[in-house]
Amino acid sequence: AQSVTQLDSQVPVFEEAPVELRCNYSSSVSVYLFWYVQYPNQGLQLLLKYLSGSTLVKGINGFEAEFNKSQTSFHLRKPSVHISDTAEYFCAGEIYQFYFGTGTSLTVIP
Amino acid sequence: KAGVTQTPRYLIKTRGQQVTLSCSPISGHRSVSWYQQTPGQGLQFLFEYFSETQRNKGNFPGRFSGRQFSNSRSEMNVSTLELGDSALYLCASSARAEGYEQYFGPGTRLTVT
Repeated sequence: AQSVTQLDSQVPVFEEAPVELRCNYSSSVSVYLFWYVQYPNQGLQLLLKYLSGSTLVKGINGFEAEFNKSQTSFHLRKPSVHISDTAEYFCAGEIYQFYFGTGTSLTVIP
Repeated sequence: KAGVTQTPRYLIKTRGQQVTLSCSPISGHRSVSWYQQTPGQGLQFLFEYFSETQRNKGNFPGRFSGRQFSNSRSEMNVSTLELGDSALYLCASSARAEGYEQYFGPGTRLTVT
């Protein structure tokens, strides 16, 4: 069965510090991977996606993620976070339909 | 181009009633998916429609149904509402030609009292 697991439900981090949000996937076939962000009372916005090719993917707002097939991971990183990055982050995989992780709440502390 | 729109944005219903939510996808997108989002269960997939046909279905009771029209607009219906149906209902559209990602609407906040 296909699934996506986000390992941390809450991540507090100080402003201007680096952050990594972890995501692992389980699939017996090739999978497309995505990271979405959700601000309060809004829908989800795509941060970045991996379909194929280079395993390092750069997205909007300074985020990047690395696809690691051997570790079945797709962790999201940002070298220096801002207050405005406080939001809920979702990892998702697509194999015939979308599978979302349970979300990671990122809180940036001033 | 215009994004995904959902109407209404907020809705209050009482137990036992039924409700219909509407979603207009991005122009040219033929796939529409629906999700239920709650604090306890997170994002759960309801169903996906493509060219007026239900292509995938999540694990929800038959009270939840949907349809898609020839212009790709979609509606979802929940009959005999229960308190546990209170949630944010998100619609997303996609077009394979744009790399498979889903574009989400702002959601409809349904409160069942």
